[in-house]
Amino acid sequence: QSALTQPRSVSGSPGQSVTISCTGTSSDVDNYNYVSWYQLHPGKAPKLIIYDVSKRPSGVPDRFSGSKSGNTASLTISGLQAEDEADYNCCSYGGRYSFYVFGTGTTVTVL
Amino acid sequence: QVQLQQWGAGLLKPSETLSLTCAVYGESFSYNYWTWMRQPPGKGLEWIGEINQSGSTNYNPSLKSRVTISIDTSKNQFSLKLTSVTAADTAVYYCARRPRTLTPAGVVSGRWFDPWGQGTLVTVSS
Repeated sequence: QSALTQPRSVSGSPGQSVTISCTGTSSDVDNYNYVSWYQLHPGKAPKLIIYDVSKRPSGVPDRFSGSKSGNTASLTISGLQAEDEADYNCCSYGGRYSFYVFGTGTTVTVL
Repeated sequence: QVQLQQWGAGLLKPSETLSLTCAVYGESFSYNYWTWMRQPPGKGLEWIGEINQSGSTNYNPSLKSRVTISIDTSKNQFSLKLTSVTAADTAVYYCARRPRTLTPAGVVSGRWFDPWGQGTLVTVSS
């Protein structure tokens, strides 16, 4: 299965909003409401920030939000903060044969 | 609070077997699936496979011929073996939990991974 497509990088100033897209196919993103997003800081364990397209785990700030339209999911970070500078990976369930497919990863830079 | 701690050899030669173990603290294996992922340098994450406490496994089709995931419920540990490694297998490897919950209606599968281990860099080089 092919990786989901994400922009290589996005950037914004503190307080601004940025949106990361995650484009899949009719076999994964479009077919299931099982998109999750992970924040990766170097040397640290990846952190779940969104699951089931738009749900936030306990402890994740509400400036992180997720959505989906067709075969494209999106993660929006509102009120960008310095600690949000990290890599972000999306993931979608792809069914009983493909199981789980991740995105290509996006680096968020806070200017 | 569930914590995962992983370890294993960090430097391998081509054709050798990668071996990593992940210990689970703060929770029994229960109904969850226990998962391995990896991230090659400069690339996105890749799902490798998963196992539950009964030993039932699912593997990434692209790696299935070389991967074995096993579980030791007595030690609360699960392990990954990847045979015949090449430079393309150089990556940071992570273990994680995929939650499944028993409800009155039956077992409900979460389709996300949380928490994760700290990662182990495995380099394949001659």
